[in-house]
Amino acid sequence: AQSVTQPDIHITVSEGASLELRCNYSYGATPYLFWYVQSPGQGLQLLLKYFSGDTLVQGIKGFEAEFKRSQSSFNLRKPSVHWSDAAEYFCAVDSGTYKYIFGTGTRLKVLA
Amino acid sequence: DTAVSQTPKYLVTQMGNDKSIKCEQNLGHDTMYWYKQDSKKFLKIMFSYNNKELIINETVPNRFSPKSPDKAHLNLHINSLELGDSAVYFCASSQDQLAGARGTQYFGPGTRLLVL
Repeated sequence: AQSVTQPDIHITVSEGASLELRCNYSYGATPYLFWYVQSPGQGLQLLLKYFSGDTLVQGIKGFEAEFKRSQSSFNLRKPSVHWSDAAEYFCAVDSGTYKYIFGTGTRLKVLA
Repeated sequence: DTAVSQTPKYLVTQMGNDKSIKCEQNLGHDTMYWYKQDSKKFLKIMFSYNNKELIINETVPNRFSPKSPDKAHLNLHINSLELGDSAVYFCASSQDQLAGARGTQYFGPGTRLLVL
């Protein structure tokens, strides 16, 4: 069955520190993968996506993600976190049947 | 211009009432969706519509009835509201998913429904 796992429910980092949010997927074919961010009380904003090609994809707000087929992972990274990055982050896979399957989300807290 | 808009943003109502949430997209997309986000932030698909036709109904109670009057609109009507319906409902849209092609889904701001 298709699934997305985000192992970390909560992550706390200091402002200026680097960040890595983990995402593992289970999908039979070439996955189409996404990272979305949800700020408190807000909707979902697309950070970046992977469809094919270069396995390191750049997104908005200084985020990047690396697709590793051998590890079934699509981890999100940022070299230096800003206080405004505090939010909920969701990894998703396009199931190919008119729906996304989302992970359970990782809540990021940024310490000043 | 807002790409995917939803109204209302907040909805507080009593159990047993009937309510509707409206969604409009101005992206020219062919496919629209409704997702439910529960209190634990888990997002799950409810319905998918492609060119006004229902594609997915993900075992949603029949108290929920989506309606797509045209490709740009997908409304959600909920009858006999229950406490468990309290959640955030997100509308989304994407380009038509042709064979071998995938569309990125763009989400609306969400409608926060509270059933008392």
